Amino acid sequence: SAVISQKPSRDICQRGTSLTIQCQVDSQVTMMFWYRQQPGQSLTLIATANQGSEATYESGFVIDKFPISRPNLTFSTLTVSNMSPEDSSIYLCSAAGQGAIRGANVLTFGAGSRLTVL
Amino acid sequence: GQQVMQIPQYQHVQEGEDFTTYCNSSTTLSNIQWYKQRPGGHPVFLIQLVKSGEVKKQKRLTFQFGEAKKNSSLHITATQTTDVGTYFCGGGATNKLIFGTGTLLAVQP
Repeated sequence: SAVISQKPSRDICQRGTSLTIQCQVDSQVTMMFWYRQQPGQSLTLIATANQGSEATYESGFVIDKFPISRPNLTFSTLTVSNMSPEDSSIYLCSAAGQGAIRGANVLTFGAGSRLTVL
Repeated sequence: GQQVMQIPQYQHVQEGEDFTTYCNSSTTLSNIQWYKQRPGGHPVFLIQLVKSGEVKKQKRLTFQFGEAKKNSSLHITATQTTDVGTYFCGGGATNKLIFGTGTLLAVQP
């Protein structure tokens, strides 16, 4: 199964700044996704990172706030822009498809990036 | 939009007792997946169910997909302390997965 590396694993950020999270997969995968998980809560899909084109965002998430890049089949970044304390959360990168495990949309997750915004 | 709810939100059991979590979707699902997230960890895939009425077993875990493909359940027989964590169901279209609200399982030795 694919191995996903995310960095940073955690960070403390100041209000108004932006932070980019990197996600590297050790094999080519068809799909990459970004999720957000508040402490003790479920996972909320932010967007699907599309290789070579603009990401597909879920309702409530916009490109200006969460710009996403996916230059190839193994790498993606998520930027959290103009952060506020409400953005404090765990951000998880995930992958599915060729190179990942099992079925077409079965997800493998990175370890997550825990952001705290002061 | 699609919503996936799980009950209970939290369950505390004595080691050796059984545990069941239920997953209900507002829409028909093409498949249902189950993940386990240990405290401080990330979700890890357990199983995928595709067929209506499908039942799969993994040792002490039994997974079921409803006939209408809108609900699912996970049953753990004789829980162990290693079963501690949050269990999420996930369902949706082939290109993305929407997760349920999760059930946190605590097991007292």
